[in-house]
Amino acid sequence: DTAVSQTPKYLVTQMGNDKSIKCEQNLGHDTMYWYKQDSKKFLKIMFSYNNKELIINETVPNRFSPKSPDKAHLNLHINSLELGDSAVYFCASSQDVGSGVYGYTFGSGTRLTVV
Amino acid sequence: DAKTTQPNSMESNEEEPVHLPCNHSTISGTDYIHWYRQLPSQGPEYVIHGLTSNVNNRMASLAIAEDRKSSTLILHRATLRDAAVYYCIRFSGYALNFGKGTSLLVTP
Repeated sequence: DTAVSQTPKYLVTQMGNDKSIKCEQNLGHDTMYWYKQDSKKFLKIMFSYNNKELIINETVPNRFSPKSPDKAHLNLHINSLELGDSAVYFCASSQDVGSGVYGYTFGSGTRLTVV
Repeated sequence: DAKTTQPNSMESNEEEPVHLPCNHSTISGTDYIHWYRQLPSQGPEYVIHGLTSNVNNRMASLAIAEDRKSSTLILHRATLRDAAVYYCIRFSGYALNFGKGTSLLVTP
């Protein structure tokens, strides 16, 4: 039973399209995150939601819009996809936000390829 | 800016202990030290974390210097499955900020 699950695992799409990536966690955690890992393997935080409320919004183009219908789900919608959006996107969750007391659990990633 | 310094790469023989160092000389008193690893084509995986005292779990041990300016992740017996990028993160603010990590190569 996967703790943090993302769908789809792979996504290939054309420039200009709109796509969504879904994330669900069954750990009962209050906080969820989206990270982006580019071709150079750097992992960067994009967004964080705590109990459906946006906590972190890093310098990310506004074509990226996170949506949290409930605390177990955090979806990522991307409009007008560009070549530079190609990356692996990871969802994660933690029991709280900001304390560092608890570890994070990551999903297995969604590899997005924009052609 | 992950605010930690790690060697780019390290190599170990299978079945031997591995000590992965991390420098976090500007750490503040409330910053936890987290370690994660990322195996090839997988998501980051939590390894261990601590604040001041040394910590042990089934995966590894974390030794934290008395002044907290450095720490060492200890894998007691490296296996081929431990080959991964290991990230030491000084947790301050609202989220984990990853640096470049140490790429660990384990040879048979």
